[in-house]
Amino acid sequence: DTAVSQTPKYLVTQMGNDKSIKCEQNLGHDTMYWYKQDSKKFLKIMFSYNNKELIINETVPNRFSPKSPDKAHLNLHINSLELGDSAVYFCASSQGVFGAQPQHFGDGTRLSIL
Amino acid sequence: SQQGEEDPQALSIQEGENATMNCSYKTSINNLQWYRQNSGRGLVHLILIRSNEREKHSGRLRVTLDTSKKSSSLLITASRAADTASYFCATGAGTALIFGKGTTLSVSS
Repeated sequence: DTAVSQTPKYLVTQMGNDKSIKCEQNLGHDTMYWYKQDSKKFLKIMFSYNNKELIINETVPNRFSPKSPDKAHLNLHINSLELGDSAVYFCASSQGVFGAQPQHFGDGTRLSIL
Repeated sequence: SQQGEEDPQALSIQEGENATMNCSYKTSINNLQWYRQNSGRGLVHLILIRSNEREKHSGRLRVTLDTSKKSSSLLITASRAADTASYFCATGAGTALIFGKGTTLSVSS
């Protein structure tokens, strides 16, 4: 069974559209994250949820809205997509204190804006 | 702001050789972690070293941490073609992990 799974794996869409990415983890972890990896492989934290509560909200445009319906799921909704949103988005999870435990990553969602 | 900086950015070696990657960071940390990313895949955790530890081993991996120099190194011994990947250090301080830009390792047979 995949520990952290994201859907879809690929997302190609037009500028201005709204899209969602879903993430689920079956590890029983209490903390989940969204990261953005750019074309130079730089990985940056976007959001973090602990027990469904928003903990980290980095400087991200408010077009990005995370939602955590339960501890095992963290979805990312993006409104009015822009060219600069093209990137790979990774979901991750960990147990316990956020920066002190190993994180488990999904395989990413490759978002391409036309 | 970015915390870790890996060096070199890219490394090409032959199978059987050792590969050493370095990571420097700027502020105090609780721990430092190393991750591997194969092409088209997510990051995989390799090893975590706490700020009060100086060296840690896991199989063919050896990690050192020098908090006085704010640096860490990852040594992969007897490398294999399957070790070809990008390697990232990540520093944990507070509520988030901050990742460096990574070292791309190519191991040719």
